[in-house]
Formats: sequence, structure tokens, C-alpha cells
Amino acid sequence: DAGVTQSPTHLIKTRGQQVTLRCSPKSGHDTVSWYQQALGQGPQFIFQYYEEEERQRGNFPDRFSGHQFPNYSSELNVNALLLGDSALYLCASSERGFGSGNTIYFGEGSWLTVV
Amino acid sequence: QQQVKQSPQSLIVQKGGISIINCAYENTAFDYFPWYQQFPGKGPALLIAIRPDVSEKKEGRFTISFNKSAKQFSLHIMDSQPGDSATYFCAASRDQGGKLIFGQGTELSVKP
Repeated sequence: DAGVTQSPTHLIKTRGQQVTLRCSPKSGHDTVSWYQQALGQGPQFIFQYYEEEERQRGNFPDRFSGHQFPNYSSELNVNALLLGDSALYLCASSERGFGSGNTIYFGEGSWLTVV
Repeated sequence: QQQVKQSPQSLIVQKGGISIINCAYENTAFDYFPWYQQFPGKGPALLIAIRPDVSEKKEGRFTISFNKSAKQFSLHIMDSQPGDSATYFCAASRDQGGKLIFGQGTELSVKP
């Protein structure tokens, strides 16, 4: 049973460019969340997708957008990259759309470096 | 009110000792408190979790103690091993979809 898979694992982008990160949730999971983890910090919630709609959003600017596909996989897009966007981007999945306590599984993350 | 405060920032324990990490929260609407373990270059992995209707939960060498009135919870790692060396994060969420609020993390080093 594959867990949460993310791609790419590492990438380097130039300031001002755009990036797309991809995530496949754990089998049987229908909810995907994205987190940003800066070096030495805890993960920060970006947004959550369920039934192909953004359900919750953290304190991130509109440059951060996402999408969920009918097969539950998801993309995170970041436009107009800033140096401060350099971080580990984590995808997390869970089994149901709402209700805390559903075990949330994280992927290995995508390391984004903006130069 | 959305913050979860974690301490200490780093911890050094001898092999066989007890590691204790503490977290405090303000939002009484939180009703799920997981602990995650993260190794360098890896994503966080769920270690153990607790709901506020119990004061303690034990899984193997890992125990969560929960004090609802004080709005605090802690992770105890018994018989700490060098393989436990990692960064530990406490987190909390409300019953609205599992958005996790993470603490700042504790870097644990277990010396042989």
C-alpha cells in the first residue's frame, strides 16, 4: 500500500518563476492538505482540498493556489516566487473530508529552493 | 489563540533515559492532539495521538499525558534509544477538517 507520494523531491527555481508540485494521496484517502515547512520550523497549513474544492485556507497569499483532481490527487502552484518561499512543501492526506481525529499521513515532501 | 507552544527547543538524553517534551495550547476548541516524529530529509510520521476525554495514552515506549484544565500535554519517551534521535512536533486540531496547528519542534538527541 503506497503512502502519500510527492513529486518532484527537489527543485530549484528562480525568483519570479512559477512552480507546480504534485501529490498522490494514500490509497483510500479523499482529502489532501498542503503544508509549508521552513528550515527549523514546524509545518504551516496552506490549504485543504476535498471533493475537488478548497475547503480551508491558512494565512498564505493568493500566489499559492491548488487543485484536486477526480482521482483525489492534488497540485500546489506557487506564482511569482520569492526567496522566502524556499521550504519543504508537504502533502498530507486523510480518509474523510471533515472531522478531526482522522489519521493524517504526510508525504516525504518537495524541497523548493528559490534563488 | 491558534498557537501551540512547544518546549524545550532541543533535548539531550542518555540512552535508557526518559525524554519529556511539553506543549501548551490556548484554543479550547482543539480536540485532537497528535505527536509527529520527523527524521532529517523525511516527512513527519504520526507517533501517537490523544483526544481530551482521556488523561493518558500509552503505546509501547511512548506516552502522552494530557491536562485539560491546564491546556497542556506532553510526550514521554521511556528507555530512550539512539534511534529515537529526531525532531518531534506536537500538534492540535479542531473538529473542522483536520487542519493541524504545529508546535515549533523539539530536536531530540539520545547519546549512547
